[in-house]
Amino acid sequence: NAGVTQTPKFQVLKTGQSMTLQCAQDMNHEYMSWYRQDPGMGLRLIHYSVGAGITDQGEVPNGYNVSRSTTEDFPLRLLSAAPSQTSVYFCASSSMTLSAPLNAFFGQGTRLTVV
Amino acid sequence: AQSVTQPDIHITVSEGASLELRCNYSYGATPYLFWYVQSPGQGLQLLLKYFSGDTLVQGIKGFEAEFKRSQSSFNLRKPSVHWSDAAEYFCAVGIPGGGADGLTFGKGTHLIIQP
Repeated sequence: NAGVTQTPKFQVLKTGQSMTLQCAQDMNHEYMSWYRQDPGMGLRLIHYSVGAGITDQGEVPNGYNVSRSTTEDFPLRLLSAAPSQTSVYFCASSSMTLSAPLNAFFGQGTRLTVV
Repeated sequence: AQSVTQPDIHITVSEGASLELRCNYSYGATPYLFWYVQSPGQGLQLLLKYFSGDTLVQGIKGFEAEFKRSQSSFNLRKPSVHWSDAAEYFCAVGIPGGGADGLTFGKGTHLIIQP
């Protein structure tokens, strides 16, 4: 029972570098999302997807891109990393059925430091 | 837009004492309500959720929460805390039928357990 798997767990980037945070789920959930967690800020939604081929912006989308080519995978791309993107990133997935709406399962997180 | 307020940034409780963590939300109707717990270096784990029906909700690890419509509150309680309950606790709301917007989180309450 893997649930939601995020890789890597830790990453250090230099300003201007690019990278992709991987997220995969094996629960056949339609809905997937990315949050960032900053001290004293709680979790803020970056991007989300309601199904393969469909993505949309959340509260803090600037500097991030996403794609959803399969139901299972929802990678988050940083095209040109900035120190302000130092954060802990969480991927979540949930079913969108009426019986269990928004019952989100979270990955273990990726701790990203941009220097 | 909906919002969530957790008034207490830190709470210190003696082991064996009772606990209440406060959560207030702002939304025009009754949202879906959640409590998550995050242990250090870990992802978020769902403690309990409220969608409809009985306003007193039982969760895992001996936690319960009560939805009070008149107060727009969803406070989390536990009759007797254990040292292992030390963690960060997040209240979150989701909008019925609006699952694509994801969850809106409070900023969290850090629970410290004194021996």
